[in-house]
Amino acid sequence: GEQVEQRPPHLSVREGDSAIIICTYTDSATAYFSWYKQEAGAGLQLLMSVLSNVDRKEEQGLTVLLNKKDKRLSLNLTAAHPGDSAVYFCAVSASNTDKVVFGTGTRLQVSP
Amino acid sequence: EAAVTQSPRNKVAVTGGKVTLSCNQTNNHNNMYWYRQDTGHGLRLIHYSYGAGSTEKGDIPDGYKASRPSQENFSLILELATPSQTSVYFCASGNRGGDERLFFGHGTKLSVL
Repeated sequence: GEQVEQRPPHLSVREGDSAIIICTYTDSATAYFSWYKQEAGAGLQLLMSVLSNVDRKEEQGLTVLLNKKDKRLSLNLTAAHPGDSAVYFCAVSASNTDKVVFGTGTRLQVSP
Repeated sequence: EAAVTQSPRNKVAVTGGKVTLSCNQTNNHNNMYWYRQDTGHGLRLIHYSYGAGSTEKGDIPDGYKASRPSQENFSLILELATPSQTSVYFCASGNRGGDERLFFGHGTKLSVL
């Protein structure tokens, strides 16, 4: 089955710096890719999702890059601020299944 | 805004007891999911459902049952709870058809003593 690795598990940056989180997956049939944010004591909230025909998507200071050849998905927070401090998860799903598989999470700390 | 409600928010159970976690969604989504979240493992899929009457095994179904009596409701059942099932459980709903976005509840913190 699908295996998703996410790194780094912890990331500390200063306000204004960029933060990059990377996921790699194994199933070449993977067609749907998403990033979620989890704040303390809360459920996950969707940040952005892309289909496999999209290589790059930007929204509100976030950039998602998809490299299908290397089976790699990345999330770049440009100019991070303290409110971005949270745990971030990637999630992937193949087109022939309803299973959504999550990465292990990255705890991001943005200091002023 | 999609709404997924879990109950209870916190639960303390005894080893060998039966535990039922409930989830209700008002989004009219076809799919519903139960995940558990543990440090170092991220979210792991326990059971999911395509619609009323259907349940499917996820990646870690052992020790858990699921029930989907209606479009809105999806329950996770621990018939004989064990301390290893102490975790935070999340329910989510979503649709297929090129849209894999999931909407999550706030989670249920379960402690099995």
